Amino acid sequence: DIQMTQSPSTLSASVGDRISITCRASQSVSKWLAWYQQKPGKAPKLLIHTASILQSGVTSRFSGSGSGTEFTLTISSLQPDDFATYYCQQFHTDSTFGQGTKVEIK
Amino acid sequence: EVQLVESGGGLVQPGGSLRLSCAASGFSFSTYWMFWVRQAPGKGLEWVARIRQDGSEVFYVDSVKGRFTISRDNAKNSMYLQMHSLRAEDTAVYFCARGTTSGASYCDSWGQGILVTVSS
Repeated sequence: DIQMTQSPSTLSASVGDRISITCRASQSVSKWLAWYQQKPGKAPKLLIHTASILQSGVTSRFSGSGSGTEFTLTISSLQPDDFATYYCQQFHTDSTFGQGTKVEIK
Repeated sequence: EVQLVESGGGLVQPGGSLRLSCAASGFSFSTYWMFWVRQAPGKGLEWVARIRQDGSEVFYVDSVKGRFTISRDNAKNSMYLQMHSLRAEDTAVYFCARGTTSGASYCDSWGQGILVTVSS
């Protein structure tokens, strides 16, 4: 099974900050990676798929990069609505999610 | 607008059974892979199962193989998850989600989730 590891687990930041979250795969997943945002009590929302493709309707503040085993989600200028938990998901072989990164207010 | 609505959750005793349903609308249901994803209280997301457009291929996470069965009825725009031999560790919010027209994939639309609690 492919394991996905996110870092950090928690990130404290301020409005306006540029932040990055890393996701590492235990083996290559090529470009088959997605990023989701989840707020408490809500369903996940797809942000990025195929490593770097912005989902329709998602603000361009979000961007994704990487391939193989290392991927990054970047938020260019953190907004109040962006405080949430973020998950990566590989879909190269079945599907595995990372453990999540909580972005909290500093 | 894509809508996915789960139903059938609730409290069940260990060893019991439960059937979840997912009613889909707003898109051509029969052309998409469909997924069940769960989230235990305070924990992360876990993919549970996925089913091909025509139901001819199904895949499960190892922890539910032999206990859960995913199915769909394209005439009713519905997907199901039959769960048997339920364990405490199956307690979670279960989400129905739409995949793509490919196999393993991301999920671009999600239901609101339904809580399944396994407890005596």
